[in-house]
Amino acid sequence: DTGVSQDPRHKITKRGQNVTFRCDPISEHNRLYWYRQTLGQGPEFLTYFQNEAQLEKSRLLSDRFSAERPKGSFSTLEIQRTEQGDSAMYLCASSLGQGEYQETQYFGPGTRLLVL
Amino acid sequence: GNSVTQMEGPVTLSEEAFLTINCTYTATGYPSLFWYVQYPGEGLQLLLKATKADDKGSNKGFEATYRKETTSFHLEKGSVQVSDSAVYFCALSAPNTGNQFYFGTGTSLTVIP
Repeated sequence: DTGVSQDPRHKITKRGQNVTFRCDPISEHNRLYWYRQTLGQGPEFLTYFQNEAQLEKSRLLSDRFSAERPKGSFSTLEIQRTEQGDSAMYLCASSLGQGEYQETQYFGPGTRLLVL
Repeated sequence: GNSVTQMEGPVTLSEEAFLTINCTYTATGYPSLFWYVQYPGEGLQLLLKATKADDKGSNKGFEATYRKETTSFHLEKGSVQVSDSAVYFCALSAPNTGNQFYFGTGTSLTVIP
């Protein structure tokens, strides 16, 4: 079990640029989640995949954000036309979904984004 | 709606002191409750969980009991160590909410020798 990995760990970009983050979940996990965490706050849910299907999206996920999980394995989160308010830690988590909500989510180390 | 309220920090304790971090929740239905810990420079790690009322989760000397009557899931440890210094997050997962977690704001704990 290699855990959830995220790439890059840090990203600095200029306002208006596009950025893309990658998440590799634990290999047998069929569910994948994206969260955003700002300083001094807990993670906030952005979106959730079961296999390749995106089943839930938060209202936090504006039109500039898009997430994919094309083959039901790794996922990408793209932010277009970044704004300074997008600066945050972006967390990915995965779980072995069996139709229950009691399952544990396993988190990656996060990608810290700074928009200048 | 679903939400978690955690006691504000930061909390500073001497080694071997007793720790309580309060967590209360609001949820539709019967949620599952979790405590996650974030050590400096690391990602969130599951500390313990409880999936139904009166369940007690425990790990590494930490305990929390799912109290439905008081909608609480307070984290306790009888004797903290310097290595317990971290940020602790209470979270819930509720039915019919797409499996998302709802997190509290986190409580920073520093244990001094």
